[in-house]
Amino acid sequence: AQSVTQLGSHVSVSEGALVLLRCNYSSSVPPYLFWYVQYPNQGLQLLLKYTSAATLVKGINGFEAEFKKSETSFHLTKPSAHMSDAAEYFCAVSEISHGNKLVFGAGTILRVKS
Amino acid sequence: DTGVSQDPRHKITKRGQNVTFRCDPISEHNRLYWYRQTLGQGPEFLTYFQNEAQLEKSRLLSDRFSAERPKGSFSTLEIQRTEQGDSAMYLCASSSNTGDEKLFFGSGTQLSVL
Repeated sequence: AQSVTQLGSHVSVSEGALVLLRCNYSSSVPPYLFWYVQYPNQGLQLLLKYTSAATLVKGINGFEAEFKKSETSFHLTKPSAHMSDAAEYFCAVSEISHGNKLVFGAGTILRVKS
Repeated sequence: DTGVSQDPRHKITKRGQNVTFRCDPISEHNRLYWYRQTLGQGPEFLTYFQNEAQLEKSRLLSDRFSAERPKGSFSTLEIQRTEQGDSAMYLCASSSNTGDEKLFFGSGTQLSVL
């Protein structure tokens, strides 16, 4: 069965500092991997996805993630945090054979300090 | 394209009452998904449709839950004899089956069972 583990339920960074949100997955087949962001009282918005093309994936708002098969990881990074990045971030894995059904991690709340 | 819309945004009900939520997907999307999200957790898969066919149901979906998508367009999720444990955010998402694995989420319906 697929699963996702997000290390750290809360991460706090200073404005302008590096953002690193960790995600490890397990999957019996080559996975599709996603990062979503959720702002308060809103639905989830796709940041980026990995679907077996380039291992370094660039997304919206300056975020990127690197797929590392040997580490079964898909960590999300941003070189310089902005106050508007404060939100909850979810990593998810899917199998195309299961109708794109997503399995989500528990989420990481990012706080950006001024 | 108005995105995925859900109605109502909030629902407060008494234990034992029935509730029904509606989801209108993006018009050209033939896949529709229901997820449930509780505080501090990632969204959990409940069920999904391809057109009007319900292709998969999670074990989380007890007999009190039923979902329909009668004409392959909008969908409803009904919970009968609500319990306090049903209190959660119910999220709807849609996607195409053209090889794009992205799910687009609505803003959700927040259910509170008193």
